Amino acid sequence: EIVLTQSPGTLSLSPGERATLSCRASQSVSSSYLAWYQHKPGQAPRLLIYGASSRATGIPDRFSGGGSGTDFTLTISRLEPEDSAVYYCHQCGTSPYTFGQGTKLQIK
Amino acid sequence: EMQLLESGGGLAQPGGSLRLSCAASGFTFGNYAMGWVRQAAGKGLEWVSGISGSGGTTYYADSVKGRFTISRDNSENTLYLQMNSLRAEDTALYYCAKTPALSTRNAFDIWGQGTMVTVSS
Repeated sequence: EIVLTQSPGTLSLSPGERATLSCRASQSVSSSYLAWYQHKPGQAPRLLIYGASSRATGIPDRFSGGGSGTDFTLTISRLEPEDSAVYYCHQCGTSPYTFGQGTKLQIK
Repeated sequence: EMQLLESGGGLAQPGGSLRLSCAASGFTFGNYAMGWVRQAAGKGLEWVSGISGSGGTTYYADSVKGRFTISRDNSENTLYLQMNSLRAEDTALYYCAKTPALSTRNAFDIWGQGTMVTVSS
């Protein structure tokens, strides 16, 4: 099973700042199969990024993804209060598919 | 509008069974792989199972393999998760989710609101 380790566990930043979230895989993941989701309490998760760097429909360009192999990042530029959420990376290339444990982003 | 509506959650005893359903609307159901993802209280997302658009290919997390069965009825636009030999650690909110392609090797682009499963005596 591919284990995804996200860091940091919690990130506290101010509006307008940039957030960089990390996702490290225990073995190589093809970029085609790495995704990022945003999850707010009481809501369904929302797909942000697929294929490591492609934004999903309706996702603002403040959200960007990158990386390859075992190291991937989600960057949120110009943070807004509504970006407060838990963010998960997800690999869907090798079964069993897995999620990272999540990074909680708090906007001060 | 593409929508997924889960049902079938509830209280089950350890060792018991439940069958979850997910009714899809707003898209051609059989053209897309589907999956189940769960979240226990205070925990992160856990991928549970996936099924291809045709239903011919299925995958499971190690934690549920041999106990859970995913299936689909493309004529009824419905996804199922049969859960047997339930354990306390299966207690979670279960989400149904859609991929944008026939293969399970895709991210989930549409999610339902979830159905709660509680396993307790």
